[in-house]
Amino acid sequence: DQQVKQNSPSLSVQEGRISILNCDYTNSMFDYFLWYKKYPAEGPTFLISISSIKDKNEDGRFTVFLNKSAKHLSLHIVPSQPGDSAVYFCAASAHYGGSQGNLIFGKGTKLSVKP
Amino acid sequence: KAGVTQTPRYLIKTRGQQVTLSCSPISGHRSVSWYQQTPGQGLQFLFEYFSETQRNKGNFPGRFSGRQFSNSRSEMNVSTLELGDSALYLCASSRPPIDRTEAFFGQGTRLTVV
Repeated sequence: DQQVKQNSPSLSVQEGRISILNCDYTNSMFDYFLWYKKYPAEGPTFLISISSIKDKNEDGRFTVFLNKSAKHLSLHIVPSQPGDSAVYFCAASAHYGGSQGNLIFGKGTKLSVKP
Repeated sequence: KAGVTQTPRYLIKTRGQQVTLSCSPISGHRSVSWYQQTPGQGLQFLFEYFSETQRNKGNFPGRFSGRQFSNSRSEMNVSTLELGDSALYLCASSRPPIDRTEAFFGQGTRLTVV
């Protein structure tokens, strides 16, 4: 049973416009959420994270929104650039027993930003 | 500052063989986690090591094992390889203490089982 779901396998956006990537989760114990970007043949690169005590975190062109009641988070990229074209993974973790715990990943959304 | 280093980058093995993959974390990072990435399943957690102790384990068969050394370097071993073990194996390291922080990934080892 998937605990972290990215329901859109792909997304195509025009350069300069906003990209919105969505992620839903089912486990109410998750209290930390991260977004990673991955290019082919490379490991995932950390983008931005958010703790469950916040509902928004912003870093440059990237903003993550968390809606705990809906168990939903989204990543906004504004403005989108061709270099943003990659697979984006949403990940979640639960803090227990002093361990960071493992990251549970969604299956990813492939973003294509067209010039 | 050097990133997470995984060796080898590519590996081809035959069914039934065993394989050992290596991961050197970022200097100062004591937590190392391993993930398997396949096209159908995405990134799946294998196990996490901290201070040479396995802290968490994912839902994988006992053929998958790992260990961590005193210098925080980690190895994972897969015995009796099956075709379905073909995947990209990713290692991630994170900084102590175990507070909320991002994990830094290596480039992965692409394992092909034939």
